[in-house]
Amino acid sequence: SQQGEEDPQALSIQEGENATMNCSYKTSINNLQWYRQNSGRGLVHLILIRSNEREKHSGRLRVTLDTSKKSSSLLITASRAADTASYFCATDSFHGSSNTGKLIFGQGTTLQVKP
Amino acid sequence: DAGVIQSPRHEVTEMGQEVTLRCKPISGHDYLFWYRQTMMRGLELLIYFNNNVPIDDSGMPEDRFSAKMPNASFSTLKIQPSEPRDSAVYFCASSQGKGSNQPQHFGDGTRLSIL
Repeated sequence: SQQGEEDPQALSIQEGENATMNCSYKTSINNLQWYRQNSGRGLVHLILIRSNEREKHSGRLRVTLDTSKKSSSLLITASRAADTASYFCATDSFHGSSNTGKLIFGQGTTLQVKP
Repeated sequence: DAGVIQSPRHEVTEMGQEVTLRCKPISGHDYLFWYRQTMMRGLELLIYFNNNVPIDDSGMPEDRFSAKMPNASFSTLKIQPSEPRDSAVYFCASSQGKGSNQPQHFGDGTRLSIL
């Protein structure tokens, strides 16, 4: 089953507004990562949050992690047209209780920031 | 430092032809991953290598797909014979670690169209 699932699937906002994307996962995690993908390009790593962390910041990005709810959120503040992209969360893949060493990516949230 | 380099960027070929996708990982990265991305199935891991050795190929769809890593700076993904359902964007990524412990660095992908 899909490990990370993002919500909403699509989000459209005006430049300057904040954008919040959510990710839910099913099993335990070591860490959770967020990636951005611009149209026609590969994924770019944004931020890694460890399972014992609750919040992490990087520039205009703020990531929270709630392991009790098995969920994470990515907040982009003061959005810009250049933030238009798809955003993915990624977590560990488990086979039973064994970590397979693979990352499982969600289906992504497509963000459009209108100028 | 150069990122992950993939070639070709685009490939259009007829059904039944052999297709070879190429990847040069980031120097010093011990892990290399091949992914396939489609609208229907999202981002799927096909196979990953550690120190040039295939570790998990459970995502390879069928025997028509094969991957090799003859040295630390080069990997290929081959499809023979190709079918229209193989049309997708294929990404190569490299990392200094497996799972969620380290970020993965993606190339810009090969957009493959099988007619």
